Amino acid sequence: NAGVTQTPKFQVLKTGQSMTLQCAQDMNHEYMSWYRQDPGMGLRLIHYSVGAGITDQGEVPNGYNVSRSTTEDFPLRLLSAAPSQTSVYFCASSRFSTVGYGYTFGSGTRLTVV
Amino acid sequence: TQLLEQSPQFLSIQEGENLTVYCNSSSVFSSLQWYRQEPGEGPVLLVTVVTGGEVKKLKRLTFQFGDARKDSSLHITAAQPGDTGLYLCAPLGGSNYKLTFGKGTLLTVNP
Repeated sequence: NAGVTQTPKFQVLKTGQSMTLQCAQDMNHEYMSWYRQDPGMGLRLIHYSVGAGITDQGEVPNGYNVSRSTTEDFPLRLLSAAPSQTSVYFCASSRFSTVGYGYTFGSGTRLTVV
Repeated sequence: TQLLEQSPQFLSIQEGENLTVYCNSSSVFSSLQWYRQEPGEGPVLLVTVVTGGEVKKLKRLTFQFGDARKDSSLHITAAQPGDTGLYLCAPLGGSNYKLTFGKGTLLTVNP
């Protein structure tokens, strides 16, 4: 049982380059989300999805795009990387629950934009 | 916008000591989750508390949800180096699938 798999684990980009951070889960979870974690700022929600074909913005969506064509995959796209996007990115997934089912997180992608 | 505060921000203690960390807000929550994050890894769920006044125990960890469901605490008894990590609280409101995290308490337990 792989859980939530994120690739790559590390990435260095030049300003203006584009890339896609991959996230896949094998637990048939409806809900998936992307967070970024910066020192002193905690985990901030970028985008989330409540099911295939449905996405919405979180707290810090600017500069990022997402799509959810399947239940399993939720890629995060950086269209034109900026140094401010240097961060650690986490993908998470969860099953719906009235009391808040436990979220499973990937191990993160550490992105540096130079 | 709810204000969510975790305290203390940093805590460094010796093995065997007891400690308590706090999660406070201006809003009422339907439930609240605690996570622990180890260096280089994603957060891992420790517990979900649902009822005001609820107390849950997980080995040496005791979690309490405030009576008014606006605050929570995590008490660790006889801390061990393996308890080292970032402890995050995540309250859940109307949209139970949309987690908002506190900034966390970074705990270091020295041998």
